[in-house]
Amino acid sequence: EIVLTQSPATLSLSPGERATLSCRASQSVSTYLAWYQQNPGQAPRLLIYDASTRATGIPARFSGSGSGTDFTLTINSLEPEDFAVYYCQLRSSRPPLFTFGPGTKVDIK
Amino acid sequence: QVQLVESGGGVVQPGRSLRLSCGASGFTFSDYGMHWVRQAPGKGLEWVAIIWHDGTNNYYADSVKGRFTISRDNSKNTLYLQMNSLRVEDTAVYFCARGGVLAALDIWGQGTMVTVSS
Repeated sequence: EIVLTQSPATLSLSPGERATLSCRASQSVSTYLAWYQQNPGQAPRLLIYDASTRATGIPARFSGSGSGTDFTLTINSLEPEDFAVYYCQLRSSRPPLFTFGPGTKVDIK
Repeated sequence: QVQLVESGGGVVQPGRSLRLSCGASGFTFSDYGMHWVRQAPGKGLEWVAIIWHDGTNNYYADSVKGRFTISRDNSKNTLYLQMNSLRVEDTAVYFCARGGVLAALDIWGQGTMVTVSS
């Protein structure tokens, strides 16, 4: 079973700053790594898939990178609506099981 | 527009059963695999189950295997989750989600709350 670890658990930043979120897998995985944003009381929203491809309608300030076991979500110049919880997610190959990381909360400093 | 709407949540006693539904619109439902994901109060996301676009395969998280069954009716554009032998720890908001490209879940419903309590 692949385990995902996200760090930090909480990131306190000001609007306009850059956020760098980390997601680490317990074993080397494909790049089928996705990132989601969730605001309180709302459903998650897909931001990034295949480690680095922005989903439809996602602003360019969101970018993803990484491969193997280490992945990063970067948010350039935080907007007020970006203060939320972010989850990474991957799929194992056989069987096709899905795993979410524990999340990183980005809050206002 | 593309939309998923869950229903069927509620309060149920431990050991009882409940069936959730997820109605899809705005896309060709039968072309996509579908997921259930849950979120306990104040906690993170937990993947529950997936069903293939044609219903031929399904897989479950260990925490629900043998108790929950995912199914779909492509003629009704509807996804289901039959939950049996419910436990207090199954209390959560249950989201249905569309399986998009490269293993990402690209469309999500707003969720339905399931509370298991005596």
